[in-house]
Amino acid sequence: DAKTTQPPSMDCAEGRAANLPCNHSTISGNEYVYWYRQIHSQGPQYIIHGLKNNETNEMASLIITEDRKSSTLILPHATLRDTAVYYCIVRVTGANNLFFGTGTRLTVIP
Amino acid sequence: NAGVTQTPKFQVLKTGQSMTLQCAQDMNHNSMYWYRQDPGMGLRLIYYSASEGTTDKGEVPNGYNVSRLNKREFSLRLESAAPSQTSVYFCASSEGLADYNEQFFGPGTRLTVL
Repeated sequence: DAKTTQPPSMDCAEGRAANLPCNHSTISGNEYVYWYRQIHSQGPQYIIHGLKNNETNEMASLIITEDRKSSTLILPHATLRDTAVYYCIVRVTGANNLFFGTGTRLTVIP
Repeated sequence: NAGVTQTPKFQVLKTGQSMTLQCAQDMNHNSMYWYRQDPGMGLRLIYYSASEGTTDKGEVPNGYNVSRLNKREFSLRLESAAPSQTSVYFCASSEGLADYNEQFFGPGTRLTVL
């Protein structure tokens, strides 16, 4: 079952930062927050994940609130190629599958 | 470094036909997975393999079989295809089953069963 809530859609101007929010108020202490994206009908692409601390990699930054009830994925300089559906996933402890909900459809506008 | 590759990309079958979907990874990962994605349903886990020589059922295993051929390859077989198996199939791999191991996905196989 979905443990996350995301806005269904967002727009972002090309070159600006895209900030995608996710609520996961029922997250447990050992559950990781994962972000994936899916461009058109391609395979899901891993972006980033974290437990408690903020994380950054070459693609994005993940900001997790201190109470862990919400997080924000930041794409620092959005390009047209970042147009995709972005999924915030709380990985249930010990579960082998990833539950992809409905995600946020991000459209980057020229 | 190709990551996770899948063949074929597209396939059309008639009801009752059989086929095998192939998946290979070159990241030296221990664990591999098969998911299906249906419109409005998200991804659902069919089978997974924690390590070479082991396989386990996921959420929706009925109608499928799998083989972990070696560390690199994990195949999914439909013995008698049904229209309900029309879907997009994704293979994924990860270093292990731990919660902190991210899964990397292949490009998918689009299967239509008539």
